[in-house]
Amino acid sequence: DVKVTQSSRYLVKRTGEKVFLECVQDMDHENMFWYRQDPGLGLRLIYFSYDVKMKEKGDIPEGYSVSREKKERFSLILESASTNQTSMYLCASSFRSGALWDPPSEKLFFGSGTQLSVL
Amino acid sequence: KQEVTQIPAALSVPEGENLVLNCSFTDSAIYNLQWFRQDPGKGLTSLLLIQSSQREQTSGRLNASLDKSSGRSTLYIAASQPGDSATYLCAVAGGTSYGKLTFGQGTILTVHP
Repeated sequence: DVKVTQSSRYLVKRTGEKVFLECVQDMDHENMFWYRQDPGLGLRLIYFSYDVKMKEKGDIPEGYSVSREKKERFSLILESASTNQTSMYLCASSFRSGALWDPPSEKLFFGSGTQLSVL
Repeated sequence: KQEVTQIPAALSVPEGENLVLNCSFTDSAIYNLQWFRQDPGKGLTSLLLIQSSQREQTSGRLNASLDKSSGRSTLYIAASQPGDSATYLCAVAGGTSYGKLTFGQGTILTVHP
């Protein structure tokens, strides 16, 4: 079974702190994604990566950055945490069966999520 | 901009009942549609993936259909069980941005014994 592992289940940080959320997948997937999930707003895409060192902005990239130095690891960075970044963060990955710019055609596998509270 | 709507927002049924969850989307130019299950406080599990060229997919007691032209998908759950209680989300892949899935808000399903 595919395993997507997020480093922390719960995290509490203070405003202004730099926060790192780590995600590791063990199935050699090319695509990796970071979402946040908020009540009433659903899941929103923050960033995604379709290859090592490649990244693309999603719908809400402001206040976030990402790093993908190795294929299996995709990190989300909150440069200066703010209270409005309190949320459930979900990492996901998928296999790329076509060319680089082909649309995604494979199932998306999610980690268990990190509930981040910024005080 | 793609919008995905799921109806109903919540559903409570007795065990053993067959049920249908609905998903509609505004832009029919999609590549595929996925149905997910999410247990409270957990991540999402992909249940079924329907490519735009397909009409339906089945897995065990689950059957998902896709009518791209009308912008609709349904998830049919046969002989529901208490273990099916969860939030069910649909998501469509499409548009000009690679990798972008648009999610619905989900249907909260409760199956009571």
